[in-house]
Amino acid sequence: DGGITQSPKYLFRKEGQNVTLSCEQNLNHDAMYWYRQDPGQGLRLIYYSQIVNDFQKGDIAEGYSVSREKKESFPLTVTSAQKNPTAFYLCASSTTGTLAYEQYFGPGTRLTVT
Amino acid sequence: GESVGLHLPTLSVQEGDNSIINCAYSNSASDYFIWYKQESGKGPQFIIDIRSNMDKRQGQRVTVLLNKTVKHLSLQIAATQPGDSAVYFCAEKFGDSWGKLQFGAGTQVVVTP
Repeated sequence: DGGITQSPKYLFRKEGQNVTLSCEQNLNHDAMYWYRQDPGQGLRLIYYSQIVNDFQKGDIAEGYSVSREKKESFPLTVTSAQKNPTAFYLCASSTTGTLAYEQYFGPGTRLTVT
Repeated sequence: GESVGLHLPTLSVQEGDNSIINCAYSNSASDYFIWYKQESGKGPQFIIDIRSNMDKRQGQRVTVLLNKTVKHLSLQIAATQPGDSAVYFCAEKFGDSWGKLQFGAGTQVVVTP
């Protein structure tokens, strides 16, 4: 069954701690994305990667970091520098270089920092 | 519709009626548009997409209309069912972008019996 998995579904951390959110895909997609969603708002792009070992900042990258060492994996670290880390985080993937731009989303991770 | 803040625009629809969800997009150079459905606590799911060289596209029970003159996109759902209750997002791809999507805030659809 092809798709995107995110773990864990719920994550709780104390303020000042870094936390890493997992995202894995078996769709053989080159591109992967991380979004943040706050209540009543659309998706805001944190980071994206078009290819292994390369990634770019999105619209709200401050306080976050990523790596793309494998095609299947794109973990996101929420650092202590992120002022308001509590949110719903969504990972997505897509093909590149084609006329299909649909992004496939994972089930999300809800992070609560207290 | 677009919204900023805690409260999304809400569309209440009676079961069996048709729904029309509207979206104003930002960039006249956008060349691709997509609608997603997001149920509470889940990731968005693809519904339908349309390219800028088209005005209309139909899927199963859904139709997307694109009016480039006024930068407006709409999603029509025929014979709305309780399972259609969700938040619906439109997204656009800027013409110079390889694949990045810009998402709207979403519209909450509530289907009443």
